[in-house]
Amino acid sequence: DGGITQSPKYLFRKEGQNVTLSCEQNLNHDAMYWYRQDPGQGLRLIYYSQIVNDFQKGDIAEGYSVSREKKESFPLTVTSAQKNPTAFYLCASSSPQGRTEAFFGQGTRLTVV
Amino acid sequence: QQQVKQSPQSLIVQKGGISIINCAYENTAFDYFPWYQQFPGKGPALLIAIRPDVSEKKEGRFTISFNKSAKQFSLHIMDSQPGDSATYFCAASIGTGTASKLTFGTGTRLQVTL
Repeated sequence: DGGITQSPKYLFRKEGQNVTLSCEQNLNHDAMYWYRQDPGQGLRLIYYSQIVNDFQKGDIAEGYSVSREKKESFPLTVTSAQKNPTAFYLCASSSPQGRTEAFFGQGTRLTVV
Repeated sequence: QQQVKQSPQSLIVQKGGISIINCAYENTAFDYFPWYQQFPGKGPALLIAIRPDVSEKKEGRFTISFNKSAKQFSLHIMDSQPGDSATYFCAASIGTGTASKLTFGTGTRLQVTL
């Protein structure tokens, strides 16, 4: 089955720690995205990548980093510089022509302890 | 700056009733308007989408109405069912040959009561 797999489903981070969220897709999509979801604020774009080895900042990139070494993978690192990292993180992918829907993973809930 | 405004924030509808969620946008370059449905603890899934060259699109019980001049679009859920209880997001994007970077509304939590 084609789709997007995010792992882990739940993640706990100590203050000052960096953590990496995994996102893998087998849809052969060129474009991938990371969104952050907070209650009452909808989904906000963190980073997106249109092609391997290239990515752009979204609206709330501060305190986050990404890499795109493979077409199938787009990991997100939440660094210690992100002051309020507790949120639900969603990864998505779409075709490069922008004419098809964006498919979302099941999300990772990150909690700072 | 919020480019897509969504209302209401929450909505309670009786089973069999009509649920209506509204969105307004600012950027006239947007050319793709999807609606996503999200259940608790899950990722959003595309429900229905419209492009600005049509004023209405219907898929089963779900209809999008689009008013280009007013820069508004809405989702109508006919014969609402308890299984429709979820959070609904409108979104907009510019999809001309680039990645469809979606701008989302803030979401509407729908509860359908028996």
